[in-house]
Amino acid sequence: GQQLNQSPQSMFIQEGEDVSMNCTSSSIFNTWLWYKQDPGEGPVLLIALYKAGELTSNGRLTAQFGITRKDSFLNISASIPSDVGIYFCAGQLRTGANSKLTFGKGITLSVRP
Amino acid sequence: DAGVIQSPRHEVTEMGQEVTLRCKPISGHNSLFWYRQTMMRGLELLIYFNNNVPIDDSGMPEDRFSAKMPNASFSTLKIQPSEPRDSAVYFCASSTGLAGQTQYFGPGTRLLVL
Repeated sequence: GQQLNQSPQSMFIQEGEDVSMNCTSSSIFNTWLWYKQDPGEGPVLLIALYKAGELTSNGRLTAQFGITRKDSFLNISASIPSDVGIYFCAGQLRTGANSKLTFGKGITLSVRP
Repeated sequence: DAGVIQSPRHEVTEMGQEVTLRCKPISGHNSLFWYRQTMMRGLELLIYFNNNVPIDDSGMPEDRFSAKMPNASFSTLKIQPSEPRDSAVYFCASSTGLAGQTQYFGPGTRLLVL
């Protein structure tokens, strides 16, 4: 089946630093999504990407849909303590009404004040 | 607007007992998804419905798990009998069902089977 790879499992950065996370797939997707999960909550959508090569920003977050359609990255600039959480990538292969997502295992981000 | 509502938020039960998790999707959404999250396996899709009809239940672990969606505003995930390895956080998510539309997650039910 489809698998998404996110590594490392954990990242530790200093407040104010930029951080980049990568997600790779063994197969093609035509939608890439990045979610963030806070402790005790469900994942919340950060950015959605719908076209190969697309670069999209949401405040301090920037994400890109890889040209090969098998990867995506998320950048967080000028990190702050509330950026702490688990960041998941998710891929979707849109076929008609099929809206099934495949999730990576997530990267736990820690931000030191 | 209310998001996806799940109940209970926490459940502690003993092995062998029946567990029922409940979900109310966002009004107007016609796709509903049940996920399980564990440290070892991450976020796994168990089953999803479109217009109340189960579309893909290939992620349901075994016959002890069943899910229903009797109407557009309610779904249940039942485990009978429960086992300690079922301990996890169970999320419900909903979307408009259109291809490419994002899924909105509920807060989850944290299940502990002793």
